[in-house]
Amino acid sequence: QVQLVESGGGVVQPGRSLRLSCAASGFTFSSYGMHWVRQAPGKGLEWVAVISFDGSNLSYADSVKGRFTISRDNSKNTLYLQMNSLRAEDTAVYYCAKYFEDDISGPFDSWGQGTLVTVSS
Amino acid sequence: SSVLTQPPSVSVAPGKTARITCGGNNIGSKSVHWYQQKPGQAPVLVIYYDSDRPSGIPERFSGSNSGNTATLTISRVEAGDEADYYCQVWDSTSDHYVFGTGTKVTVL
Repeated sequence: QVQLVESGGGVVQPGRSLRLSCAASGFTFSSYGMHWVRQAPGKGLEWVAVISFDGSNLSYADSVKGRFTISRDNSKNTLYLQMNSLRAEDTAVYYCAKYFEDDISGPFDSWGQGTLVTVSS
Repeated sequence: SSVLTQPPSVSVAPGKTARITCGGNNIGSKSVHWYQQKPGQAPVLVIYYDSDRPSGIPERFSGSNSGNTATLTISRVEAGDEADYYCQVWDSTSDHYVFGTGTKVTVL
């Protein structure tokens, strides 16, 4: 079955960087687009970024554009989120999620358990 | 980007029907997906493409979408349905994905 395992979260000072990883298994990773979604403590879900199956198409939420970079290594079945110039408002649980089939308007059909990022001095 | 508005909370007695709305400009022209999130857990897809149900999701969960409102309906509500529910669409204009504001369902 599909398994997505995030890692790399932790406490980081404002202005610093952090890289999250999402290890995928149970499906052909190189055939599916992938997302990052975050959830601030006690708040709702916020989409962060998406990458196509081959990494050729990327899109970002306005709140992170220019600071965050989504990437993937299909040889390692791993998704990444490089987060630079972190702010207090980036504090959240970060989830990776899998595309449904090959439809850009499709749902996020599998989710990892999330990794917590806390931005604080 | 689209704005999707949900009621903050819905309360329902066991065995009754809960209806959760998701309002957005001409949302009926978009594909709407619904997620259930229990405390401390990741979201789970419960309805996709307006009204399809993933395998393993009870038939008690159904969806509809028309005009400016999409609706998630939970029939014969059980205590285990208590959770937060989010609608979600893809906004083709901005190429962004949008989640609704979320609804907390409380089973009385």
